[in-house]
Amino acid sequence: AQSVTQPDIHITVSEGASLELRCNYSYGATPYLFWYVQSPGQGLQLLLKYFSGDTLVQGIKGFEAEFKRSQSSFNLRKPSVHWSDAAEYFCAVGASNDMRFGAGTRLTVKP
Amino acid sequence: SQTIHQWPATLVQPVGSPLSLECTVEGTSNPNLYWYRQAAGRGLQLLFYSVGIGQISSEVPQNLSASRPQDRQFILSSKKLLLSDSGFYLCAWSLVGYGYTFGSGTRLTVV
Repeated sequence: AQSVTQPDIHITVSEGASLELRCNYSYGATPYLFWYVQSPGQGLQLLLKYFSGDTLVQGIKGFEAEFKRSQSSFNLRKPSVHWSDAAEYFCAVGASNDMRFGAGTRLTVKP
Repeated sequence: SQTIHQWPATLVQPVGSPLSLECTVEGTSNPNLYWYRQAAGRGLQLLFYSVGIGQISSEVPQNLSASRPQDRQFILSSKKLLLSDSGFYLCAWSLVGYGYTFGSGTRLTVV
């Protein structure tokens, strides 16, 4: 069965520092992988996705993620965090009708 | 371009009252449609999904039901709300092979 694990429930970083949010997945085939961001009281916005090809994918808002098949991971990174990046981040794996979301990682940004 | 509309944004309902949340998609045909619930501090729980008019799959048995009367309309209903139905409800759509696009959500408080 497919599943997604986001090991960090809550992460705090200082503004301007680098960020890495972890995501591990279990999937029976080549996965479709996604990262979403949710601001308080809002819906989820797609940051980036991986279907195939280059394992380093670029997304919106300066985020990138790297697919590592050997580690079953799809970690999200950003070189320099802005205060506006404070939000909840969700990793997801799968395809239509069978998408699984992680429990989310809440990011707090310190001034 | 495709857009998804979800309303109302917030709703306060007494226990035992009925519920109707509506979601519509524009700019695409025959999308897959989803209803998710997000309880406070928790991840996303898939409630229902639909691959076509009148076709509803339920993921979790509960006090809620869903209907798809038109290709791009998805409705979440309840005959009698429970306190435990409080939460943040998200509608989403997708096409086969692509990620999900979410609506802005409905905050439901049952009092």
